[in-house]
Amino acid sequence: AQSVTQLGSHVSVSEGALVLLRCNYSSSVPPYLFWYVQYPNQGLQLLLKYTSAATLVKGINGFEAEFKKSETSFHLTKPSAHMSDAAEYFCAVSVGFAGGTSYGKLTFGQGTILTVHP
Amino acid sequence: DAGVIQSPRHEVTEMGQEVTLRCKPISGHDYLFWYRQTMMRGLELLIYFNNNVPIDDSGMPEDRFSAKMPNASFSTLKIQPSEPRDSAVYFCASSSPYTDTQYFGPGTRLTVL
Repeated sequence: AQSVTQLGSHVSVSEGALVLLRCNYSSSVPPYLFWYVQYPNQGLQLLLKYTSAATLVKGINGFEAEFKKSETSFHLTKPSAHMSDAAEYFCAVSVGFAGGTSYGKLTFGQGTILTVHP
Repeated sequence: DAGVIQSPRHEVTEMGQEVTLRCKPISGHDYLFWYRQTMMRGLELLIYFNNNVPIDDSGMPEDRFSAKMPNASFSTLKIQPSEPRDSAVYFCASSSPYTDTQYFGPGTRLTVL
């Protein structure tokens, strides 16, 4: 079974400041990890994903995340926040082919709302 | 590619009425997922299909909910009878083993009065 914990339901930063959104996972098999972003009244859009290749993953809009197996973490960062980054961010875990019949099933965290102040 | 298409985008109905939500996955994707999003429970997986066959429906809340996928390009989620606690945003997503990524539709906002 897999689970995801996002630390902090709300994060507030100033424009230009570092963005750090925390995600810890639990998985019985090597995980695939994802970050999605949801803007108000819209669906979820993939930011980036880790699927057992490079541990530092770069995504869209300047975001990146690092897979740390020893810490079971997949934190999302961006060096300089922009007003347009204000949204809700979801971390999710799934299993690859090793998951057998569970393949493809995503488990989401509770989400972190990012607010960016001018 | 048009992405995942959902209809309607908004639905307002009265308690006891039947509600049908529709989804067209991305062409070539053989996995289809239905999620429900609420403030209280976050994003919940209701059911998912592989090659039109339901694989896991353990998230379907009760017998009032049913989902079908008659062909590779169409799925429905039906609630009968609807209740106010069913009010939520319902998302459909699709994926394939070649992408390992789920692509989400824009969602259907359901309000049951």
